[in-house]
Amino acid sequence: DSGVTQTPKHLITATGQRVTLRCSPRSGDLSVYWYQQSLDQGLQFLIQYYNGEERAKGNILERFSAQQFPDLHSELNLSSLELGDSALYFCASSAMAGPAGYGYTFGSGTRLTVV
Amino acid sequence: AQSVAQPEDQVNVAEGNPLTVKCTYSVSGNPYLFWYVQYPNRGLQFLLKYITGDNLVKGSYGFEAEFNKSQTSFHLKKPSALVSDSALYFCAVRDENNFNKFYFGSGTKLNVKP
Repeated sequence: DSGVTQTPKHLITATGQRVTLRCSPRSGDLSVYWYQQSLDQGLQFLIQYYNGEERAKGNILERFSAQQFPDLHSELNLSSLELGDSALYFCASSAMAGPAGYGYTFGSGTRLTVV
Repeated sequence: AQSVAQPEDQVNVAEGNPLTVKCTYSVSGNPYLFWYVQYPNRGLQFLLKYITGDNLVKGSYGFEAEFNKSQTSFHLKKPSALVSDSALYFCAVRDENNFNKFYFGSGTKLNVKP
């Protein structure tokens, strides 16, 4: 167990629907990152939150949004889902001062299948 | 802009043979390089990193990586492969301006045959 918890582990939904993925960071970590891993795109950085505020933004679609709550857990909201959104979504966390050279800790991911 | 490239989608080796997974990088300043491994249905796990110092970096599970500045490469190596090493390997470089942001390669699937 890495200490980063993602729920649910698997999600199957229909096109046009909206889903929410949840991430609880490792205890003490203030930063949360979301990544999308698909077969053709590899691992793509979506967005980072640090202590409740958006810190960095990557290749995140406008249909997607995220937030980090006061208890530091984060949610990634995906709406108007398309078949191409099917992927593995990873959450990662790091400590306040950054990854300290060890990168950061990843959760096990949520596998989203859009049918 | 920073980036990494993993030129091989897949690497096949026999158990007991040495393995190499290739990675090249592009950064404007000093590179901060990482290797991660992903087992099926699992999150990424840190293997090793290069920040500064010796060009040969030793990491977890017997892996090591060689930093070559002139060739802008950071290849992952292991002297003797195990079947259990079969997994997806990602090379990554840390953003020079945002140390919390990483750029990952597309991944290389390592298949170790008994």
